[in-house]
Amino acid sequence: AQSVTQLGSHVSVSEGALVLLRCNYSSSVPPYLFWYVQYPNQGLQLLLKYTTGATLVKGINGFEAEFKKSETSFHLTKPSAHMSDAAEYFCAVSDTYSGGGADGLTFGKGTHLIIQP
Amino acid sequence: GAVVSQHPSRVICKSGTSVKIECRSLDFQATTMFWYRQFPKQSLMLMATSNEGSKATYEQGVEKDKFLINHASLTLSTLTVTSAHPEDSSFYICSARDAGQGALWTEAFFGQGTRLTVV
Repeated sequence: AQSVTQLGSHVSVSEGALVLLRCNYSSSVPPYLFWYVQYPNQGLQLLLKYTTGATLVKGINGFEAEFKKSETSFHLTKPSAHMSDAAEYFCAVSDTYSGGGADGLTFGKGTHLIIQP
Repeated sequence: GAVVSQHPSRVICKSGTSVKIECRSLDFQATTMFWYRQFPKQSLMLMATSNEGSKATYEQGVEKDKFLINHASLTLSTLTVTSAHPEDSSFYICSARDAGQGALWTEAFFGQGTRLTVV
């Protein structure tokens, strides 16, 4: 069984400051890892994903994340926060070896990012 | 990226009635579709997985007779909440994936979600 833990239901940073959203996972097989952003009453937008290859992945809107197998982590970072980054962020994991990738995603509980002016 | 359209975006219904939510892939063939449920300020919980032309696979604890899923074509899946009650009020989100390309993994694209309120 897979699980995702996001530390901190709320994270508040000042505009221009570093954003760090933490995500740890557990999986019995090498995972595929994702970060999604959700704005109020909207669906999810993929920020970035790790499947194979380079462990540091870059996504949209200046976000990046690093897959650290030894730490079972996939933390999301952005060097300089912008007011428009305020949203809910979800980390998710998928089993890579089940049905050709047909399984749904297992999501963390989400982190609400607050940007202080 | 590919577009998944979900309709309606909001619906209010009376207790005891049924509501149908549609999920369409607009520019690709969705061989697999997923339905999620999200309670306020909580994460998304996978309800069921449906493959075109076959019965949906429901997650543990999800009542298949209450949440009817039909995936009759490669571009459309529907979720019908039957005999809805106030506790069914939630945000329902679908996602769709084209898993027929032979790749080990393909991205799933999410719809905009449907806010269901049962009064």
